[in-house]
Amino acid sequence: DIQMTQSPSSLSASVGDRVTITCRASQSISSYLNWYQQKPGKAPKLLIYAASSLQSGVPSRFSGSGSGTDFTLTISSLQPEDFATYYCQQSYSKGSSTFGGGTKVEIK
Amino acid sequence: QVTLKESGPVLVKPTETLTLTCTVSGFSLSNARMGVSWIRQPPGKALEWLAHIFSNDEKSYSTSLKSRLTISKDTSKSQVVLTMTNMDPVDTATYYCARIVSGYYTGNYMDVWGKGTTVTVSS
Repeated sequence: DIQMTQSPSSLSASVGDRVTITCRASQSISSYLNWYQQKPGKAPKLLIYAASSLQSGVPSRFSGSGSGTDFTLTISSLQPEDFATYYCQQSYSKGSSTFGGGTKVEIK
Repeated sequence: QVTLKESGPVLVKPTETLTLTCTVSGFSLSNARMGVSWIRQPPGKALEWLAHIFSNDEKSYSTSLKSRLTISKDTSKSQVVLTMTNMDPVDTATYYCARIVSGYYTGNYMDVWGKGTTVTVSS
């Protein structure tokens, strides 16, 4: 099975900061990588699909990049509503999927 | 408007079988390039993908849970059902279903999620 490793597991940042979260796959997954945001007590929300495509309705301060094994989610200017946990997910494996361990973004 | 809603028991006993139903609206389970996934999240822990089923009835399961899971769909009822046998307290979690959109260049992504249903395993 493909393993997904996110770093850091948590970070503290201030409103207006640029935030970068990394996701690494245990083998090449091409660009089959998605990012989700989850707030406490809520279901996850799709932010980015296929590594860099912004889901409809998601603010443009969110962006994704990468291919192969290394991927990045960037929030260009952190807003109060962005404090949440972020997950990456691979869909390269035809018969399975895997999530990363999550990155919790907290207020500094 | 696309919605998904999970339903099932709140409490199950160890060794029992869990049956969860995902009722969808706003799209058909026969739509090409679409499917439904089940995902769970133990309290305070990360998301774990469990299984998915597509419109062509293609099914896949988590390697670690494959022997305990069965996924099926009833297109006429707009429902996807997940059963998990031999429940254990470690299976206590919030269980989500989500719509999958699939494409050759995009892979599979889950664009709409249900609110989740919490299942506790305890005697």
